[in-house]
Order: sequence, then structure tokens, then C-alpha cells
Amino acid sequence: DAGVIQSPRHEVTEMGQEVTLRCKPISGHDYLFWYRQTMMRGLELLIYFNNNVPIDDSGMPEDRFSAKMPNASFSTLKIQPSEPRDSAVYFCASSLAARHEAFFGQGTRLTVV
Amino acid sequence: AQTVTQSQPEMSVQEAETVTLSCTYDTSESDYYLFWYKQPPSRQMILVIRQEAYKQQNATENRFSVNFQKAAKSFSLKISDSQLGDAAMYFCAYKRDNLFFGTGTRLTVIP
Repeated sequence: DAGVIQSPRHEVTEMGQEVTLRCKPISGHDYLFWYRQTMMRGLELLIYFNNNVPIDDSGMPEDRFSAKMPNASFSTLKIQPSEPRDSAVYFCASSLAARHEAFFGQGTRLTVV
Repeated sequence: AQTVTQSQPEMSVQEAETVTLSCTYDTSESDYYLFWYKQPPSRQMILVIRQEAYKQQNATENRFSVNFQKAAKSFSLKISDSQLGDAAMYFCAYKRDNLFFGTGTRLTVIP
């Protein structure tokens, strides 16, 4: 398996623009997590899905952030409109079951100017 | 709510020596998993070791081992025979359904 695949690897956008981050989990994994990593706040869990259903989105910072998982092999994290303080590395991770380890993608480094 | 605390922002170790990274967590659950992840400068999150809470035996993976104290809610990582490639950020993590991370410990290995 190719592992968790995220795209793009890097994204530079202007303030106010819409940004969409993409994630393909490992086949057969039924949990998917989105994290944001910054120097100040560390690794923050934004939202996680089980069997394509959002279970806990309490970490989503604002209404500008939204996440979807239309099927078992694809998820998106959207920021609209983007702001400079959204600049961070965004990770997607998937796990086989609730108590199994999570495998991470390479992350997307987002820079909002 | 579950919290994971890593009280050592930075640690250093001489090459070939042993170092221990600390982690404590807070939970009211009895069934959960604990992990240590490594994040080198490449930023890839790499699983180092895992521990099931129902197992009393401490997990080991080659030079990496843990000291799991369930009653004390403590989960430390010991790295033996440290190598230059061990230099990275190390994150302790708690998982039941959700997956929570500590703030990390930056490990420097001195040649």
C-alpha cells in the first residue's frame, strides 16, 4: 500500500482565497483524522471520521474550516476564506480501527500571505 | 477530556548513551492505547512503539522500550545506544477512538 497520500505538499495562497487540502487514506482503514501543526500550538486534532461519518469536529477552529469525507477513499479539508494565521502544516492520518495506531501522510504546508 | 503532557521540551544525549523521555496522561478510561511517534526534520510522523493499556508487560522495539505505569498514568520512552538518526521531535500519544498528542520533546544527539 502507498500509505496515506496528501495533496498538495505545499500551498501558497493569498488571504481571502479558498484552500482545499486532500487526503487519501490507506485502503481498508475506517478512521480518518485531520491535524494542524504549528510551533505555538503543536499538533491539534481538528476533526475525525469513522466510516465516513464525522464523529468529533470540536477542534475545528472556526466556521471558515470545513471537512468532508464523501467516500472511504477520499477526504477534504477546506478553508474559506483563508487568513495568514491559518499558515501551518496540515496532516491527515488513518487507522484500521479505534485502538490501532494511526498512519500519517506527508502533510501539506500551507502558507497564507 | 484526555490530556497528554510532556514536561521536557528539549533533551540531549551523547551518542551511544541512554536517554528517557517522559510522558503523563489523564483519562478515566481503562482500555486505551499509547504510542510514541518520531518526527524528524522531514516532518514525516513515524510510529516508534505502541503499548496496549491492558498489557502489563512493557513494549520493546529494538533499542526503544517503554516504562508503562498505568496507575500513575505514566508512559516514558527509553532509547538505548542512541544514534545520530534518533535526533527528532518525539510525541507521546493517547488513543481510544480519538488520538491526542503531547506537545513533544526535541531530542538532540551529540556526536
